[in-house]
Amino acid sequence: GENVEQHPSTLSVQEGDSAVIKCTYSDSASNYFPWYKQELGKRPQLIIDIRSNVGEKKDQRIAVTLNKTAKHFSLHITETQPEDSAVYFCAATLSRGNNRLAFGKGNQVVVIP
Amino acid sequence: DVKVTQSSRYLVKRTGEKVFLECVQDMDHENMFWYRQDPGLGLRLIYFSYDVKMKEKGDIPEGYSVSREKKERFSLILESASTNQTSMYLCASSPPGQGNEKLFFGSGTQLSVL
Repeated sequence: GENVEQHPSTLSVQEGDSAVIKCTYSDSASNYFPWYKQELGKRPQLIIDIRSNVGEKKDQRIAVTLNKTAKHFSLHITETQPEDSAVYFCAATLSRGNNRLAFGKGNQVVVIP
Repeated sequence: DVKVTQSSRYLVKRTGEKVFLECVQDMDHENMFWYRQDPGLGLRLIYFSYDVKMKEKGDIPEGYSVSREKKERFSLILESASTNQTSMYLCASSPPGQGNEKLFFGSGTQLSVL
């Protein structure tokens, strides 16, 4: 089945620095790649996504880049703030299963004030 | 704003009990999902449904069943709860058509099986 892996599992950054989380996937037919943010005790929420016909997408301080050849995509957070501290999950659509998602195990991001 | 509501935030049950976890969404979404979340294992799909009366197994369906009698409600059933089913359970829904991959999650039910 689809294998989605995230690296690193935990990332600590100083407030104001940038954070980058990388995600790799195995299904070459995957065509949609979202990132979800889950703050402590709260529900996961979609923060940004990208489709396979686009290489990069930005939304204020966050961006996602996609390399389809290498089958990886990354979340970039610039000028990190304490409220960016959370677990971030990447996902990729399965070519089987009507567009349902396979999730990575999550990255814990800690922003140190 | 999409609202996905899970009936209980915390549940404590005993081994062997039958457990019902309820989920309701108010945006007329056709697709509904049940995940469990465990530390270090991420989100794993248990069951999903793309229509009323329809259900499909996800990646870890063993020990669970589901019911979708109405479009807005998707129930997860643990026929005989076991301690290894202690977990956070997350319900999600998504709209039909383009964009059906975008999931809206409920707040979760933390289930403890003693």
